[in-house]
Amino acid sequence: EPEVTQTPSHQVTQMGQEVILRCVPISNHLYFYWYRQILGQKVEFLVSFYNNEISEKSEIFDDQFSVERPDGSNFTLKIRSTKLEDSAMYFCASSVDKEGEKLFFGSGTQLSVL
Amino acid sequence: SQKIEQNSEALNIQEGKTATLTCNYTNYSPAYLQWYRQDPGRGPVFLLLIRENEKEKRKERLKVTFDTTLKQSLFHITASQPADSATYLCALYAGNNRKLIWGLGTSLAVNP
Repeated sequence: EPEVTQTPSHQVTQMGQEVILRCVPISNHLYFYWYRQILGQKVEFLVSFYNNEISEKSEIFDDQFSVERPDGSNFTLKIRSTKLEDSAMYFCASSVDKEGEKLFFGSGTQLSVL
Repeated sequence: SQKIEQNSEALNIQEGKTATLTCNYTNYSPAYLQWYRQDPGRGPVFLLLIRENEKEKRKERLKVTFDTTLKQSLFHITASQPADSATYLCALYAGNNRKLIWGLGTSLAVNP
């Protein structure tokens, strides 16, 4: 069964450093998303991406964050200058053809900012 | 303010019984509501979607109801098994927000 893959599974970084989280969504899906989840808290929407541009973003997704789909398969989330409060599990997801419907999630990248 | 609330207490039930989980929301008019399962350290897994004009949806041992008057969805697992033990999340899509809003989840433990 096709799945969303994310790398790395764990990322440790120093505060102020840039990180890039990588995702390969399911190949025939059209919508791509990044979510994050701090341990014990709700899943939080960051951004959705469709047709090579941001479709929607949350207030969390400020100028420190950016997304890119550099080729036909990868979808990346960049955090330019990490803060302690960016520590969380970051999930990539994709959906076939309707925004917000039936999302397929990857296993996540656990980001720890020290 | 807008809120989504799920049973805050963990649910412990005996194998073979029906588990019922609740999702209540306020100040939303969701176009549809979804239920996901999440295992520790893993991403959510989609289970069921129910639209605002649907009262009930079933899939194998799973059943979801959606009452837009009560602003509530119920999620049932019949003939529960220990493998059903996980956290179950509800998520709303309100079209004007164009994003999914998630509940905190309810932890379900099915005891053999």
